Amino acid sequence: QVQLVQSGAEVKKPGTSVKVSCKASGYTFTAYYMHWVRQAPGQGLEWMGWINPDSGGTNYAQKFQGRVTMTRDTSISTAYMELSSLRSDDTAVYYCARDKEGGSGCFDWGQGTLVTVSS
Amino acid sequence: QAVLTQPASLSASPGASASLTCTLRSGINVGTYNIYWYQQKPGSPPQYLLRYKSDSDKQQGSGVPSRFSGSKDASANAGILLISGLQSEDEADYYCLIWHSSAWVFGGGTKLTVL
Repeated sequence: QVQLVQSGAEVKKPGTSVKVSCKASGYTFTAYYMHWVRQAPGQGLEWMGWINPDSGGTNYAQKFQGRVTMTRDTSISTAYMELSSLRSDDTAVYYCARDKEGGSGCFDWGQGTLVTVSS
Repeated sequence: QAVLTQPASLSASPGASASLTCTLRSGINVGTYNIYWYQQKPGSPPQYLLRYKSDSDKQQGSGVPSRFSGSKDASANAGILLISGLQSEDEADYYCLIWHSSAWVFGGGTKLTVL
């Protein structure tokens, strides 16, 4: 079955960067786009962007352009999301989510990674 | 004005039906969009429920009970998630999602309380 297993919780200081990983299994990694979505404590879901694991092409939400970088390592079926210049309002659970139908909003989700930004 | 607006909360009784709305911003025509619905319970990632564009173009998520269904209210420019025969396990946050202007956009979510 499809599994998306994310890296563990992180605590970061303001101004630094965080890199979250998402290891995929149970399907052909390069066949489905991977999205990243975050959720601040007690708040709603916010789409950050996607990466095409086959080509490495990306599409970032305007809000995060210049601060987010999505990459992948096809040899280990893992996607990464790096967010830089962290601020306290970046404290959130970050999810990877596989677009399971291709170009749809139908996602399989990772378990989430809590990133806490605090001085 | 947000692209998608959902009421913050809704309460309903067990066995009753609940209609959760997702209103699109003026100028964005609900008729042209696929609307996706997700359920999220505390401490868990969202779970896909269904997609609705029209009665002839819709999809139920795998394993999602038929008492979850989608529709649209064109006059209100809104997508609707209808949950019939409410059960205590339906208590959760519900989010709508559309693809708009080259980005995925979530609604703010509705907290459904079953009491």
